[in-house]
Amino acid sequence: QQQVKQSPQSLIVQKGGISIINCAYENTAFDYFPWYQQFPGKGPALLIAIRPDVSEKKEGRFTISFNKSAKQFSLHIMDSQPGDSATYFCAASPNDYKLSFGAGTTVTVRA
Amino acid sequence: GAGVSQTPSNKVTEKGKYVELRCDPISGHTALYWYRQSLGQGPEFLIYFQGTGAADDSGLPNDRFFAVRPEGSVSTLKIQRTERGDSAVYLCASSLNRVRTGELFFGEGSRLTVL
Repeated sequence: QQQVKQSPQSLIVQKGGISIINCAYENTAFDYFPWYQQFPGKGPALLIAIRPDVSEKKEGRFTISFNKSAKQFSLHIMDSQPGDSATYFCAASPNDYKLSFGAGTTVTVRA
Repeated sequence: GAGVSQTPSNKVTEKGKYVELRCDPISGHTALYWYRQSLGQGPEFLIYFQGTGAADDSGLPNDRFFAVRPEGSVSTLKIQRTERGDSAVYLCASSLNRVRTGELFFGEGSRLTVL
């Protein structure tokens, strides 16, 4: 069963727009929440990660917002660029090694 | 090479056959992971090695799946009596530290197709 639920399944955004991807979890043992970016034919690559002791983390155009009480977290991609077109996975970990991934969101940025 | 290397990149086999998938992690990375990614899904944890030992193999779907890492570097995922449902991309990853203090570096995967 999917321990991390991710939505939407896909989204299309215009260049310069904002992409928002949401994830929710139930397991309160999760304490590490990374986001991975995957291009076709490639393995996932870490984009940004957050721990539950902070509510927001920003790296360049990418921001994670975290709501511990709601058990939800989201990725915002600001000023979306065609090169951001990829599949994005949220994930969560309850320990030092195991990641539970969401089903993924395919983002298409139209020029 | 500098990244995680997986071979073969593609493998087509017949139902019932035996398959081996190889992973060469980044040099110096003690932790190695196998994940399975089915079409349209996120990666699913299979097994985690710390050094030569399998620290957690709870994600292996059944006893047809087995993985080894005899010298603490290269790992092989072995699948016996393959079934059509085993068709997926098998991803290997390695890390220098544990997940929460360092990132996982994934290879490009081995795409397995069972006919």
